[in-house]
Order: sequence, then C-alpha cells, then structure tokens
Amino acid sequence: GAVVSQHPSWVICKSGTSVKIECRSLDFQATTMFWYRQFPKQSLMLMATSNEGSKATYEQGVEKDKFLINHASLTLSTLTVTSAHPEDSSFYICSARDLQLGHTGNSPLHFGNGTRLTVT
Amino acid sequence: SQQGEEDPQALSIQEGENATMNCSYKTSINNLQWYRQNSGRGLVHLILIRSNEREKHSGRLRVTLDTSKKSSSLLITASRAADTASYFCATDADYKLSFGAGTTVTVRA
Repeated sequence: GAVVSQHPSWVICKSGTSVKIECRSLDFQATTMFWYRQFPKQSLMLMATSNEGSKATYEQGVEKDKFLINHASLTLSTLTVTSAHPEDSSFYICSARDLQLGHTGNSPLHFGNGTRLTVT
Repeated sequence: SQQGEEDPQALSIQEGENATMNCSYKTSINNLQWYRQNSGRGLVHLILIRSNEREKHSGRLRVTLDTSKKSSSLLITASRAADTASYFCATDADYKLSFGAGTTVTVRA
C-alpha cells in the first residue's frame, strides 16, 4: 500500500529556533501534499496545500512566512516552522494523494505518522 | 476549514457490540471519507463513499451517505479492543479534505 514517511516523529526545540519537518511518499508520486495541524483531542486543521514545483497555497489565518513549505520533488515536501514559539507546539501531520489515482479526486489521502513539536 | 460535525463525541462499548457514529456536513461534496487515528499517530483511511453512492461495506465497516440530509454514518460491527481509536469523517470538495471533530471510541474487553 501507499506509504508516507514523516520525519522526525517528535522534536523539542528552544524558542526562536527553526524546525524542519520532512514528508516523503515512499512508493508513489504526489504532485500535491497537505499539511495539517492538530491540537490535543481536536480535529485536523488544514494549514496549506503543497504543490510540486510551485508555491504552496495557505489556508486563511496561516502565516506563510512562519510556516515555510517547499515541495521540491514528486516525493518530498518539507514544512519549516521558523522562529518557533511555545504556541507553535502542536502535532503536525502531512498527507499525500497518489498522482496516478488522485488527480481527479475520489481517492484517499495517505498520512504520515505525524510530528510532535514541543517548543520550550 | 472544518466542515463536518460528528456525533457522539465519545462512545464506550463492550467488545462484540456495534458502534455507530454520525457525521453531518454543510456544503456539496465529491465524496466523504472515514479515517481512524490511534493516539499520537497519523490517520489511516478506512473507507470512501462517493456522492452518488448511498451505502458501502468494507469488512466489519458499513458506511451510509445521505446527500439530501448532508449526513453520513459509520457502523463498526462486532467491535474489538483493537478498534479503540478516534474516528474522523472528512468531506472532499475541490480536492481538499475537511475533517470533522471526531468520535473517540473505547472498546472495553
């Protein structure tokens, strides 16, 4: 089955530093990847849509200069939390659709296992 | 943005019993999907039902969709302890998924 690898699974960083999270589709290609944020016991909130070879599309209220997204290839998207602060502490999850199946919709998303970010 | 609302928020059942959870949404959709999330993990896709379908089965899962009422239900039959997880419905419109608040299911042995 389609596998999405997300790394790291957890990270602790000091306030003011930047953290990069990687999301890789291991056995399929994805022109589009999605980044979500999840607070404890809450739903997933879509932060941005990452498009291979072009700029990401951010949801309303998400600071694009704070959450930098790069989608350099069909199998890799990265999210960098810049100048992290304690309020950025959260669970970040990436997902992707199989290019061959997902171009017309009606296909599931494949999720990474998430990254627990703690900013001290 | 979050479109779906799920009901109930939490459900506790005995092993072997059935679990039913509902999802309501607000706008037109291409399809509706259900996912499971174990604590601290990513989401696992369970089942996808297209807007022109009314019912779908996969193993012990049964999903219904009523587009006139903008609602869906997920039934897990003969529950097992391993079914303990949070379940989310997600509506697919414009190739983006919007997730509901989720139902936390606890299956007691």
